[in-house]
Amino acid sequence: DAKTTQPNSMESNEEEPVHLPCNHSTISGTDYIHWYRQLPSQGPEYVIHGLTSNVNNRMASLAIAEDRKSSTLILHRATLRDAAVYYCILRDPSGGSNYKLTFGKGTLLTVNP
Amino acid sequence: GAGVSQSPSNKVTEKGKDVELRCDPISGHTALYWYRQSLGQGLEFLIYFQGNSAPDKSGLPSDRFSAERTGGSVSTLTIQRTQQEDSAVYLCASSRGLAGGTDTQYFGPGTRLTVL
Repeated sequence: DAKTTQPNSMESNEEEPVHLPCNHSTISGTDYIHWYRQLPSQGPEYVIHGLTSNVNNRMASLAIAEDRKSSTLILHRATLRDAAVYYCILRDPSGGSNYKLTFGKGTLLTVNP
Repeated sequence: GAGVSQSPSNKVTEKGKDVELRCDPISGHTALYWYRQSLGQGLEFLIYFQGNSAPDKSGLPSDRFSAERTGGSVSTLTIQRTQQEDSAVYLCASSRGLAGGTDTQYFGPGTRLTVL
């Protein structure tokens, strides 16, 4: 499976935008880019996913580089509730084990009041 | 609507005892997954159920671990003769089981298992 690389940790201030990067230089043409987050003492939570075009939903935006070798999860105005570990995960729809999520270490986001 | 629920939320057991962990998926979701999150180990896949197909048990760490899904809904993860290294948070997730790369998984709150 193609791997992703994320910074171990990032810090932000409340009500400021946050850009969480993810590198996936070995991404295949059919891999979808998914983001999940895990708040303290909770199970992971789906955030957003995309293939080639940038995506927006009520939680966040996903900006995908033109060559798809990297992507950025954007939280437009961070709140204290956004403090979590953010995971960038590639999903290959053609793979035999495409149903399971392979979690890396993710990025621990700290939001300062 | 109701999300994925798991019970118990916490379980403390003695080494060598058997434990059962329960997962109630979102109604209508055909796919169900079990993951484990150990301290410092991250999240690892254990087992996957999809409809009436044979489950993918490739992530189960030993033959002491087993799982079943009755009636395509509730699932039970059983750990026999528990060991201290089994201590972890056990997470269940469900999804609609969509083909392709767009399927999203919804996770329960987890069961924290402590083996003394």
